[in-house]
Amino acid sequence: GAVVSQHPSRVICKSGTSVKIECRSLDFQATTMFWYRQFPKKSLMLMATSNEGSKATYEQGVEKDKFLINHASLTLSTLTVTSAHPEDSSFYICSAGLAGGPSYEQYFGPGTRLTVT
Amino acid sequence: KQEVTQIPAALSVPEGENLVLNCSFTDSAIYNLQWFRQDPGKGLTSLLLIQSSQREQTSGRLNASLDKSSGRSTLYIAASQPGDSATYLCAFARRSSNTGKLIFGQGTTLQVKP
Repeated sequence: GAVVSQHPSRVICKSGTSVKIECRSLDFQATTMFWYRQFPKKSLMLMATSNEGSKATYEQGVEKDKFLINHASLTLSTLTVTSAHPEDSSFYICSAGLAGGPSYEQYFGPGTRLTVT
Repeated sequence: KQEVTQIPAALSVPEGENLVLNCSFTDSAIYNLQWFRQDPGKGLTSLLLIQSSQREQTSGRLNASLDKSSGRSTLYIAASQPGDSATYLCAFARRSSNTGKLIFGQGTTLQVKP
């Protein structure tokens, strides 16, 4: 149980275009979903926390107009990288928190490799 | 200041060795602490989660301990195997967080040589 999927797993886009990444909790309802970014050989950097039906909370230094997050249901959150540039190339990982779970345990998706050319 | 520090950053051991990975954190008011495994280019797999009221958790050849007073956690891997080669990350959730937001360390990259 507690499986989180991401789509696509890998995407290449041209500079200036937008790309959407989906994060789904497949067998549980997630009240909270998190979006992380990871640079090569670095740890995960939290970008934003999203709660179903409300605006996402962005970490300091993360541009909310560039990284649009929508959490339309308890099983789906999307991250849209708008007007992508080569410096946005990175590994993006989402995680989902189990609704009602007392331990706040997070389950992570397999990640999406974004390359902007 | 780095809130979570993992030592060593990299470790290479021969197969069969028992080993310890270290994680230290600056905030003693934690809700829980998790150890994760990450294979190259992949997402995270949760290995063990220790609640703040617990001192250790075990799963198979893995044992994680938690000492809040000293701000330390260790991940013990017994009888290491080449398949254990991966990056191991520790992360904690603050007690003051109502979302379970995790603070990650930089990870320890482990290589187990056959």
